[in-house]
Amino acid sequence: EAGVAQSPRYKIIEKRQSVAFWCNPISGHATLYWYQQILGQGPKLLIQFQNNGVVDDSQLPKDRFSAERLKGVDSTLKIQPAKLEDSAVYLCASSPAGGISTDTQYFGPGTRLTVL
Amino acid sequence: AQSVTQLGSHVSVSEGALVLLRCNYSSSVPPYLFWYVQYPNQGLQLLLKYTSAATLVKGINGFEAEFKKSETSFHLTKPSAHMSDAAEYFCAVSDEKLVFGKGTKLTVNP
Repeated sequence: EAGVAQSPRYKIIEKRQSVAFWCNPISGHATLYWYQQILGQGPKLLIQFQNNGVVDDSQLPKDRFSAERLKGVDSTLKIQPAKLEDSAVYLCASSPAGGISTDTQYFGPGTRLTVL
Repeated sequence: AQSVTQLGSHVSVSEGALVLLRCNYSSSVPPYLFWYVQYPNQGLQLLLKYTSAATLVKGINGFEAEFKKSETSFHLTKPSAHMSDAAEYFCAVSDEKLVFGKGTKLTVNP
């Protein structure tokens, strides 16, 4: 089966510009996650969707970050305006069930964002 | 809040030697624990997970981990390292969401 797809793979922007990332989860997976992975650290959950509803966005900087999951399938994550500290790899993951604690998450290859 | 600590940000072993990557967790409830591997420029891939069944968990690529409640540990081992094992390894604990450690970069020397 096809894995989690993300685009673009790399993006370089200047601070205060906006950027958007796209994710297509594994077909049939109900739960979708966006993570931020700063160099030298583990991934940090930004937002979790179950179908097209938000389950957890407690760590999403809502003044500049936004995310949506259209029709419970694809998702986009947007940053506007970007800051230097947003430079990171943005990972999308999906899981088949309703985001239960033992569920395996399947990760995409990530988008590496560099903010100059 | 749940957390994990991975001891050693870098581990270097010779090909054929034992691999031991350490992970200690902090949890107020019985935890669910995971090990993920990340190869360069790729996403994370699940190696194995502990979900309160057997304490010794076998994963892919010859890796295994043992859950030790008394030591609050979930160390990852592999008897004989291969060059292809060079990657970054992340331990994670799950309650309502996955919380990752900072990762351990494994280097395998020929």
